[in-house]
Amino acid sequence: SAVISQKPSRDICQRGTSLTIQCQVDSQVTMMFWYRQQPGQSLTLIATANQGSEATYESGFVIDKFPISRPNLTFSTLTVSNMSPEDSSIYLCSVGLYNEQFFGPGTRLTVL
Amino acid sequence: AQTVTQSQPEMSVQEAETVTLSCTYDTSESDYYLFWYKQPPSRQMILVIRQEAYKQQNATENRFSVNFQKAAKSFSLKISDSQLGDAAMYFCALRAGGTSYGKLTFGQGTILTVHP
Repeated sequence: SAVISQKPSRDICQRGTSLTIQCQVDSQVTMMFWYRQQPGQSLTLIATANQGSEATYESGFVIDKFPISRPNLTFSTLTVSNMSPEDSSIYLCSVGLYNEQFFGPGTRLTVL
Repeated sequence: AQTVTQSQPEMSVQEAETVTLSCTYDTSESDYYLFWYKQPPSRQMILVIRQEAYKQQNATENRFSVNFQKAAKSFSLKISDSQLGDAAMYFCALRAGGTSYGKLTFGQGTILTVHP
């Protein structure tokens, strides 16, 4: 299995600010995925982060709002920029290994 | 495009009884995987069971089993001998191959309550 850690585990932020979420995996992986889970909702894919190339964003998500870095095969960051209360969600990092998908513990973000 | 539908927002079961959670899906891919995830209040996503589409045999993991009906695009989860620790949100998810490789499409989730 893969062990994934995320930092921070939770944060409370003011509107208009930005927060960077870190994701660390204990195995080298080609692709890392970032999901958003709004309160009481299901998970929605934000983007796919490949090492050495630009992230690929899903419909409804843009790079200016959610810039992603992928400096190596075990690490990625997601930034939530110019936050508004609508960005209050759980953000989860995920990787695929051995035909399974593993998830980090999530970052609970509250925007006031 | 892929879709996953869970038509039961909430389900409840008595401890030690059996419960079945429903899931239907749609994909144009021939190569895909189906998953059931459990999300307790801790919000950690825990893989419950996985089914490869090319396998006819239904997957089983201890008290958890699936009924995979490929032609009907149905993928239900049966929990036998339910335990209090089974209480959680359950998500059905689809991962297709091709250009969608690695991307999961989730259903809306089913909240399972287990009564002692």
